[in-house]
Amino acid sequence: NAGVTQTPKFRVLKTGQSMTLLCAQDMNHEYMYWYRQDPGMGLRLIHYSVGEGTTAKGEVPDGYNVSRLKKQNFLLGLESAAPSQTSVYFCASSYSLFTQYFGPGTRLTVL
Amino acid sequence: QQPVQSPQAVILREGEDAVINCSSSKALYSVHWYRQKHGEAPVFLMILLKGGEQKGHDKISASFNEKKQQSSLYLTASQLSYSGTYFCGTDPSNSGYSTLTFGKGTMLLVSP
Repeated sequence: NAGVTQTPKFRVLKTGQSMTLLCAQDMNHEYMYWYRQDPGMGLRLIHYSVGEGTTAKGEVPDGYNVSRLKKQNFLLGLESAAPSQTSVYFCASSYSLFTQYFGPGTRLTVL
Repeated sequence: QQPVQSPQAVILREGEDAVINCSSSKALYSVHWYRQKHGEAPVFLMILLKGGEQKGHDKISASFNEKKQQSSLYLTASQLSYSGTYFCGTDPSNSGYSTLTFGKGTMLLVSP
């Protein structure tokens, strides 16, 4: 079992460019989440999904879009990247309200 | 609203004890504790539910005071491996999944 994987691990973008972060889990979990982590801010929920084909906004959704076309994948998109979106992005999945299993993270820099 | 964690940082010698607190202004259903080592992903430690009992995990335990909406994480006889940043995540709802609001974290350093 690979658990939760994230692609890519690192990325540098210029302001205005777009990109998609991919999260994949092989644990058949129903629930998936995208967080961003900034120094001194902790983890903040961007979007989440409670099942295939469903998505919902979290605490800081502006500037991001998500899709969950397959149960095992959760995509996070940045349509027009801004320097304020420089962060470490973590994906997580869970089968209940209990343990969330986190991926290794994607470090994104927007210049 | 983000829960408030205290202290912001703790430095211990191996074998000493520590307490990390998490306080919310909202009524909570659950409090989750995670530990994150530098450059790694957060790892789940334990969850406390409204009406539940104090939890324990090896020499790490936690409590949840529903009246005060406060949770405390207790680390006893600390080991070097306990070093990292500890986050509490809170959820006011019982929805079958957790949409967590995390605190800013407490950095714990255990030295030999």
